[in-house]
Amino acid sequence: SQKIEQNSEALNIQEGKTATLTCNYTNYSPAYLQWYRQDPGRGPVFLLLIRENEKEKRKERLKVTFDTTLKQSLFHITASQPADSATYLCALSLNSGYSTLTFGKGTMLLVSP
Amino acid sequence: DVKVTQSSRYLVKRTGEKVFLECVQDMDHENMFWYRQDPGLGLRLIYFSYDVKMKEKGDIPEGYSVSREKKERFSLILESASTNQTSMYLCASRGYQETQYFGPGTRLLVL
Repeated sequence: SQKIEQNSEALNIQEGKTATLTCNYTNYSPAYLQWYRQDPGRGPVFLLLIRENEKEKRKERLKVTFDTTLKQSLFHITASQPADSATYLCALSLNSGYSTLTFGKGTMLLVSP
Repeated sequence: DVKVTQSSRYLVKRTGEKVFLECVQDMDHENMFWYRQDPGLGLRLIYFSYDVKMKEKGDIPEGYSVSREKKERFSLILESASTNQTSMYLCASRGYQETQYFGPGTRLLVL
């Protein structure tokens, strides 16, 4: 069956360091992968999308890589700040257009000052 | 900016009650979605809709129904609420891009 795995344990890092979150999947051939941020008690907010034919995408301090051979995406936050503390969700879609997203369970990131 | 609003942030209902959760988006999006989110289980898709009066079952539709009479509004209905439907309910919409825009969520407690 199709599976998306994100680290269930919280990631604790110090302010200023680079945070790296992992999303692994099995039995998928996704057309694209997305990363969302979710704060407690709130809905997820879209951050970045990367397509199957793209290796890397950047937006300000955020970087996403997508390795379809390893079936893995890495999400990096450089120069992390306490305000980056949140849960980060990855989501896969099998194709564009009328496709639904399947979400991972998310990884909590805690950035301490 | 896209805005997705949900009718209530918190709701307390009794077992057996009929519950309506309303979602409205202001960006003329074709696609709308209802999810529930539970600790350890993540976001799970209940129902979605591609267009007015169109609906499709998601991964966990049992015990739920939906209504989409107008493009901007997508309602989730719990025909007879049960305690195992206590959860955070999230609505989302999507236009021609693949990004989903989420509402703030409704935390439902069924007693």
